Amino acid sequence: EAGVAQSPRYKIIEKRQSVAFWCNPISGHATLYWYQQILGQGPKLLIQFQNNGVVDDSQLPKDRFSAERLKGVDSTLKIQPAKLEDSAVYLCASSATPVEQFFGPGTRLTVL
Amino acid sequence: RKEVEQDPGPFNVPEGATVAFNCTYSNSASQSFFWYRQDCRKEPKLLMSVYSSGNEDGRFTAQLNRASQYISLLIRDSKLSDSATYLCVVIMAGTALIFGKGTTLSVSS
Repeated sequence: EAGVAQSPRYKIIEKRQSVAFWCNPISGHATLYWYQQILGQGPKLLIQFQNNGVVDDSQLPKDRFSAERLKGVDSTLKIQPAKLEDSAVYLCASSATPVEQFFGPGTRLTVL
Repeated sequence: RKEVEQDPGPFNVPEGATVAFNCTYSNSASQSFFWYRQDCRKEPKLLMSVYSSGNEDGRFTAQLNRASQYISLLIRDSKLSDSATYLCVVIMAGTALIFGKGTTLSVSS
């Protein structure tokens, strides 16, 4: 079974630029999550989708971050404009049940 | 107070040692508990669920104490391949996973 796919794997941008990340969840998983993991920290939830609806985006910095999951499958996360403190790994995860989430390999973002 | 707290370590142990990690959580409404493992520069993966009755999987034993809001993970007979960061994870009703910062384990020969 294919896992969660993410692209790109690495991205380097300058502050104030824009960037977008893509995620393709495991087939059939209704729930999709985006997490931000800063070095030395555990993952922090940014947004949770159930199919194409938002369940929780309370920790998403909405002034600069946006996410969508059109058609309830793939999802994109965008940062515009990026700040230095956005440097982190952005993890996408999907699940069929709340018990276990399956994570993608992540996108490592460096903002200079 | 952080929602999920762990001792970040690092824990440096020789092969064959027994090592225990602890975790506390702040919200008594928390319903489900897990340990995830994260290898260096890799994504987190579920290691095991944690129940009040205890949960054992080979060399790994997880325990939950709801009264103390405390979760533990015991690793017996440590292997080099156990070197990783162990993330304590909590779920409240209807929420996504809440991760601790992780405890780093380094097993040496």
